[in-house]
This record gives sequence, structure tokens and C-alpha cells, in this order.
Amino acid sequence: SQQGEEDPQALSIQEGENATMNCSYKTSINNLQWYRQNSGRGLVHLILIRSNEREKHSGRLRVTLDTSKKSSSLLITASRAADTASYFCATDALGAGNNRKLIWGLGTSLAVNP
Amino acid sequence: DTGVSQNPRHKITKRGQNVTFRCDPISEHNRLYWYRQTLGQGPEFLTYFQNEAQLEKSRLLSDRFSAERPKGSFSTLEIQRTEQGDSAMYLCASSLWTGSEKLFFGSGTQLSVL
Repeated sequence: SQQGEEDPQALSIQEGENATMNCSYKTSINNLQWYRQNSGRGLVHLILIRSNEREKHSGRLRVTLDTSKKSSSLLITASRAADTASYFCATDALGAGNNRKLIWGLGTSLAVNP
Repeated sequence: DTGVSQNPRHKITKRGQNVTFRCDPISEHNRLYWYRQTLGQGPEFLTYFQNEAQLEKSRLLSDRFSAERPKGSFSTLEIQRTEQGDSAMYLCASSLWTGSEKLFFGSGTQLSVL
């Protein structure tokens, strides 16, 4: 089952605007990651935030993590048409035999219009 | 290019046929994952290996699916007696497990079962 739930499911904005996507999860985590997927391609890692961190930046990306609310947000500033993609959050969770593995959400589809 | 290679990129087969996909991970990565993804959904975990050991297999995976990772290097995923419901993108990812990890994905194999 998917632990992460992203919202909105779909987002359409104009180039230059900011895009914010949210992810909620249910269990305690070690870290939370965000990935991007262009249509028909594999996923690409964007950023990892650990459970003891509250905010992290990478270029135009800003990720926040609120462990008390079990939620995270991904902000893309000054969006570009090339940012059009699906964005997924993934949390680690205890799997079989205490082996941690990532649990994926359903994703937010972002369209940036030129 | 993430360094993870999947072959073939596309596979069209008739219902009832067997298919095999190959994944070549980044050479120093000890973990290898197989996921399945359908349109508009997040990656669905199938199985993963640490070196040559298969650590977990999804309970959703029928006995028609089998995966191997001989010698802890490349991996193959075989689907026997394919069904139309098997049509999906099959994604492989690898990582260097150090207590937390980020995944590097291949471009996937798109399977269409007619």
C-alpha cells in the first residue's frame, strides 16, 4: 500500500509562478525524499530530508518537513516549462525483517505553461 | 543518464507468452529494486535484492513473477504466462545502502500484453 499521499493530484501554473506540492504520511520515518518523473521515463532523485531536519534547499527547490503533522511540502520557485513532470514523495518504512525500503505516494502532476 | 540500464525499452507480447527484462545497476550499488507503474500511479513495489539475496517480495506479486540477481550484479525479472493486466512500465532502481538511501532509476521497460 502507498503511504505517501501527495496533493494536489494535478497542478497547472504559468511559467515564473511558484508551485507547491504536499505529501502526508502515516508512520514514523527516517527520511523523506522527493523525486521527479518526466513522461515515460524513470524517476530522478531531487532531494532528501532527514527526520531531524525541518527545511532544506537545493537550487530552486525548497522542502519542508513537519514530523508532528507527518507532512512535507515541495516548493519550486520561478517555475519553468521544463519543470513539467510528475513529482513523488517517498518515505522509508520498516519492511520485512526490519529492512527499510521506500514507500511511494501517487504523485502530483505539474504542468507549467509557457 | 542515471547509470542504471534497462532492456528492452519496450516489449509487446501476446497473452500467455513469457517475457524477461534485464536491469544493469550502477556497479557499486548493493541494492536493486523492481517496481511496476501504471499510468497516473506511483511506483508499486515488486521485490528487492541486497547483493544476491532477495530480501522481500510483494504479497501482491503472483507466482508468475520471478526475479533473480545472480552474483549480485545485473538482475532479471521474468513474467510467465502474461496477462493483459500485466501491461505496465517496469522500473528498476539501484542504491548504495548505508542506513538510508536514494534510488537511481533506469528508464524502464514498457510492457504491452495484447
